[in-house]
Amino acid sequence: DIQMTQSPASLSASLEEIVTITCQASQDIGNWLAWYQQKPGKSPQLLIYDATSLADGVPSRFSGSRSGTQYSLKISRLQVEDIGSYYCQQAHSNPRTFGGGTKLELK
Amino acid sequence: EVQLQQSGAELGKPGTSVKLSCKVSGYNIRSTYMHWVNQRPGKGLEWIGRIDPANGNTIYAEKFKSKATLTADTSSNTAYMQLSQLKSDDTAIYFCAMGAGYFDYWGQGVMVTVSS
Repeated sequence: DIQMTQSPASLSASLEEIVTITCQASQDIGNWLAWYQQKPGKSPQLLIYDATSLADGVPSRFSGSRSGTQYSLKISRLQVEDIGSYYCQQAHSNPRTFGGGTKLELK
Repeated sequence: EVQLQQSGAELGKPGTSVKLSCKVSGYNIRSTYMHWVNQRPGKGLEWIGRIDPANGNTIYAEKFKSKATLTADTSSNTAYMQLSQLKSDDTAIYFCAMGAGYFDYWGQGVMVTVSS
């Protein structure tokens, strides 16, 4: 199985701050990576797919990037509605696997 | 508008089974895969498996091969998951999700509580 190692597990940031979350894949997955946002008590929502493509309706302050087998999600100017948990997920092969998640809180 | 509507919360006794449903509107499930994902209390997301409703083909994560059974009814555009031999660590929220590689749409989740 492909392991997705996500960091940090938790993060406290201020409004308007730049936030970066990373995911390391245990093997080459190409661009087969997605990022999801999960707000408390809600189901996850797709933010980024194919490592860098923004899902419909997602604000442009979110962006994804890739360097080899390391993937990053960047929030350029943190807003209060961005608070929640974030997960990466590889779609290269089965079983689909998620990173352990990052809980983002306001400082 | 695509919507995934899951059945209500379940309370099951250890050793019994529950069957969860996920009714899709706004999209024909024959044209996609239906996935199931769980989330134990306070924990992360875990993929259980997926079904291709067009032909009934299924793939499961290894740890769920004897736990979950995925089916789909294309006439009602509904996916199902049966969880068998319930144990306390099956207590979790179970989500259905739709998509080929990624999970483009999600149900609202259903809480399954296993308790005697």
